[in-house]
Amino acid sequence: EADIYQTPRYLVIGTGKKITLECSQTMGHDKMYWYQQDPGMELHLIHYSYGVNSTEKGDLSSESTVSRIRTEHFPLTLESARPSHTSQYLCASISQRGFHEQYFGPGTRLTVT
Amino acid sequence: AQSVTQLGSHVSVSEGALVLLRCNYSSSVPPYLFWYVQYPNQGLQLLLKYTTGATLVKGINGFEAEFKKSETSFHLTKPSAHMSDAAEYFCAVDSSYKLIFGSGTRLLVRP
Repeated sequence: EADIYQTPRYLVIGTGKKITLECSQTMGHDKMYWYQQDPGMELHLIHYSYGVNSTEKGDLSSESTVSRIRTEHFPLTLESARPSHTSQYLCASISQRGFHEQYFGPGTRLTVT
Repeated sequence: AQSVTQLGSHVSVSEGALVLLRCNYSSSVPPYLFWYVQYPNQGLQLLLKYTTGATLVKGINGFEAEFKKSETSFHLTKPSAHMSDAAEYFCAVDSSYKLIFGSGTRLLVRP
């Protein structure tokens, strides 16, 4: 099973601040993902990466950006946080040896006041 | 395009009763199907998966699911609910290494 770490777990921040949500995995997985989960539970893919220097936008439009400079690290950045960004953000990665099952980190719950 | 429908946003059962969470999918190719569970303030944990072969799949915590191609269904069951099963459950289908999730079902277990 993959080890995926997300920090911080909880963040309360004021409008206009720049924030970076960290995601790291220790298994050398090439494919990584960011999801946004609303209070109503539904998950939406906002970014994904299939390798170093490769990033794509997901199905849900997001004002956030991502980078993939190292295989194990896939941070998500909001340049100017707004209350509409309040949500839970989940990071995931895929095992090369599996059948496309994704392994998830514990999530970051972001509140923008 | 692939999609997943979970019938019932909330399911309530008594402790010891059968758990049945419904999932229907649409896919133009043989699907990889998954069930995930999410406990409060945590990420998603893989319960079980269907890839190829046997259509009855066993997972963790006593859950199992049956892939029925003719019905395009992948319902999740557990013979006897436990209080610790109370959580959110998500069905998902793989779409070229991206997961398409259903909207989730909240399972409530009454004592």
